[in-house]
Amino acid sequence: KAGVTQTPRYLIKTRGQQVTLSCSPISGHRSVSWYQQTPGQGLQFLFEYFSETQRNKGNFPGRFSGRQFSNSRSEMNVSTLELGDSALYLCASSLATSSYNEQFFGPGTRLTVL
Amino acid sequence: AQSVTQLDSQVPVFEEAPVELRCNYSSSVSVYLFWYVQYPNQGLQLLLKYLSGSTLVKGINGFEAEFNKSQTSFHLRKPSVHISDTAEYFCAVSEHGGATNKLIFGTGTLLAVQP
Repeated sequence: KAGVTQTPRYLIKTRGQQVTLSCSPISGHRSVSWYQQTPGQGLQFLFEYFSETQRNKGNFPGRFSGRQFSNSRSEMNVSTLELGDSALYLCASSLATSSYNEQFFGPGTRLTVL
Repeated sequence: AQSVTQLDSQVPVFEEAPVELRCNYSSSVSVYLFWYVQYPNQGLQLLLKYLSGSTLVKGINGFEAEFNKSQTSFHLRKPSVHISDTAEYFCAVSEHGGATNKLIFGTGTLLAVQP
C-alpha cells in the first residue's frame, strides 16, 4: 500500500508570492491534517480536513488556507509569502477523525522563501 | 488546552548504553500520548502510543514508554541504543475521545548515539 505522498518535495519562492502544496493520503483514508515544522516554533498544527470539510484549524493567519477534494487529496495554499514561512510542511492522513485513528505522515515539502 | 514539554533538546549517548528521553504534558482533559521519530529529511514515524490500559507500552525498534498519570509524564526508554537510533524524537498528545486527530507536539529531543 502506498504511503502518504507530498508534492513537490522542495520549493523555493520569493517574498510576496503564493504557493500551493499537495498531499495525497493513503488509499481509503478520509482525514488529512497539515503541520508546519520550523526550528524556532517546532511542529505546529495548521488544519484538519475530513470528507472535504475543515474540522479544525490552528492558530495561523488567514494567509494560510487549505481544502480537500472528493478523492481525499488535499492542498494547502499560502499567499503573500513571508520569510518566516520557510519551513517543512508535513501532511498526515488517517481513516477518520473520531476516537483514535493512527496518523501516517508524508515526507514533507520543504519551502524556502527568499 | 494541552501542552507538551521535552526538557532535553539533545541527549548524547554511547552505543549500547541505555537511554531515557523525558516528556511531561499538561492537559485539562484526558489525552492519548505518542512518541514519534524523525530521521533526517523524512517525515514522522510513530514509535509507540498510549491509549488506555497498561501503563507500560512497547513500540518498534526496542523502545518502550511508561505513562505516569500522577506525574503527567510519558518518558521513552531503550535499554541499549544503536548508531541507527540517531534521530529526533517527538512526544505528542491528542485529545481523548475528541472528534479530532490534532496532535500537540513537544519541541523534540535529538538523540545522538556515538560509537
